[in-house]
Amino acid sequence: NAGVTQTPKFRVLKTGQSMTLLCAQDMNHEYMYWYRQDPGMGLRLIHYSVGEGTTAKGEVPDGYNVSRLKKQNFLLGLESAAPSQTSVYFCASSYSWGRGGRPGELFFGEGSRLTVL
Amino acid sequence: AQSVTQLDSQVPVFEEAPVELRCNYSSSVSVYLFWYVQYPNQGLQLLLKYLSGSTLVKGINGFEAEFNKSQTSFHLRKPSVHISDTAEYFCAVSRANAGGTSYGKLTFGQGTILTVHP
Repeated sequence: NAGVTQTPKFRVLKTGQSMTLLCAQDMNHEYMYWYRQDPGMGLRLIHYSVGEGTTAKGEVPDGYNVSRLKKQNFLLGLESAAPSQTSVYFCASSYSWGRGGRPGELFFGEGSRLTVL
Repeated sequence: AQSVTQLDSQVPVFEEAPVELRCNYSSSVSVYLFWYVQYPNQGLQLLLKYLSGSTLVKGINGFEAEFNKSQTSFHLRKPSVHISDTAEYFCAVSRANAGGTSYGKLTFGQGTILTVHP
């Protein structure tokens, strides 16, 4: 049971390049989230999804796009990378509360470290 | 909206000493409270949570936390730490809504790095 898997784990981009981070979960979770982690700022929510085909903005959505075409996958895209997007990105998933899920029990991937030069 | 403040960015302690990591929150609505732990180069793991009921909650690895509504605090404690407790700890909050529009979204504090020295 892999849980939440993120690919790639490391990536270096030049300003203006594009890339996609892939998150895959095998727990049949309805909810999925993308957070970024920066020193001294904790984790901030970028986008989230409450089910296949749905997405919504979080706290810091600018410069990112997401898609959830399949329930198990949640993609985070950067169309034109900027140095301010240098960060560690975490994907997380959880059950919906209405289907036996318990509040706050997010399952996190191991992170993807992105550097934009 | 909710916000979380972790009062200490770094806490160094010696092995077997007690430790307290402080967390304060701000919210205009009822909240659920959580502590997560992040070991080096890993994702976050849920340590414990407060949803309702007893204000003293126990988590994994001997940690406990106490919810104080009047002081809007949720401090994390352990009576005797081990080297293996060295990690970054995050306090988090979500709206106490049964699903609704909160969708389980968490607001995290800035993190506290706990370093346990031999």
